[in-house]
Amino acid sequence: EAAVTQSPRNKVAVTGGKVTLSCNQTNNHNNMYWYRQDTGHGLRLIHYSYGAGSTEKGDIPDGYKASRPSQENFSLILELATPSQTSVYFCASGDYREDEQYFGPGTRLTVL
Amino acid sequence: GDSVTQTEGLVTVTEGLPVMLNCTYQTAYSDVAFFWYVQYLNEAPKLLLRSSTDNKRTEHQGFHATLHKSSSSFHLQKSSVQLSDSALYYCAPRGNYKPTFGKGTSLVVHP
Repeated sequence: EAAVTQSPRNKVAVTGGKVTLSCNQTNNHNNMYWYRQDTGHGLRLIHYSYGAGSTEKGDIPDGYKASRPSQENFSLILELATPSQTSVYFCASGDYREDEQYFGPGTRLTVL
Repeated sequence: GDSVTQTEGLVTVTEGLPVMLNCTYQTAYSDVAFFWYVQYLNEAPKLLLRSSTDNKRTEHQGFHATLHKSSSSFHLQKSSVQLSDSALYYCAPRGNYKPTFGKGTSLVVHP
């Protein structure tokens, strides 16, 4: 069965600190995605990747960096965390336009 | 640019009654795949329905939707909702390889 895992599941960070959210998938998908979910805004795409070594900007990339060191792993990096980045973050994988995306369980990030 | 419009906010329905959640997509792409995802409380979104075939009805878990390419619409319907249908529903049309999600509709079914 398709599997996407995320770590940590919960994170409390301080303003100005660095935060790294990790995602791992065993689906052998080329494409991976990072979203944030906020009430009233739905799921918004931050960064995505077509494969190892590639990252692309999504709809709201400011304040975030991404890294795809391998087919299985995709990280989201907040170099200088701010309270406005408090949110729930979902990672997903999925390939073709007609194919579904498989989501991880989410990471709840609180920036104080 | 591309944009997706779905029934926004909160929809409240009495158990046993029908519901329809709207979804339309404005895009320059002629070939669009449509998805509905459902997210239950404290869970991740997961696929409910999908279609890329014009005028074909798709069904799952009692929900159904028909893709109309002429109007770029893929409305979600159910004839008799259950309490367990209470969840957040996302329309996610896809004209290219970058996914797009609507803002979500929170469906609350009450007795």
